[in-house]
Amino acid sequence: AQKVTQAQTEISVVEKEDVTLDCVYETRDTTYYLFWYKQPPSGELVFLIRRNSFDEQNEISGRYSWNFQKSTSSFNFTITASQVVDSAVYFCALSADSSYKLIFGSGTRLLVRP
Amino acid sequence: EAEVAQSPRYKITEKSQAVAFWCDPISGHATLYWYRQILGQGPELLVQFQDESVVDDSQLPKDRFSAERLKGVDSTLKIQPAELGDSAMYLCASSLDSNQPQHFGDGTRLSIL
Repeated sequence: AQKVTQAQTEISVVEKEDVTLDCVYETRDTTYYLFWYKQPPSGELVFLIRRNSFDEQNEISGRYSWNFQKSTSSFNFTITASQVVDSAVYFCALSADSSYKLIFGSGTRLLVRP
Repeated sequence: EAEVAQSPRYKITEKSQAVAFWCDPISGHATLYWYRQILGQGPELLVQFQDESVVDDSQLPKDRFSAERLKGVDSTLKIQPAELGDSAMYLCASSLDSNQPQHFGDGTRLSIL
């Protein structure tokens, strides 16, 4: 079975703080993809990143960075110097080789206070 | 504004009524998905199309839900009759192919009274 766990239901930080959103996944497939999506209050899910299971290199995009560790089945997301506009619900998702169906975690609500 | 178009943005209706949602994917995207997102949870796939064919509808409650993508472009999701538990956000997504990133629309927020 495939599963994504986002243990942090809600995180509140003050602007300019760094924040890390945790994601732990389960799959028996050897080929799979991991994703992060952002859902602002408007409701649209905004694609942030896709990572395949064979590429464990960490990735940085501006203030965003992702840490993929197969040894701990984790794909954590860090926002550096957070801004109020980062306030949203963030979803981690898994897509495995067998079906490519996206399995979402329950999301982490991030509130960045001025 | 999302490139995947969905309408309506909001729908309020009474239980036992019929309701329909429409989705127009990004041009050229062969794969189209309908998800249901209950408040406080992640989206769950209802149905996946590859062109006009259904690839996966294992989670679609077929006694009341139906989906079609007749010409392999836009799609309609229907609920009849609606039940109170159907209140949720219904999201449409599309991708170039099934192993490519999915791009989502703004969703339709459904409230059943």
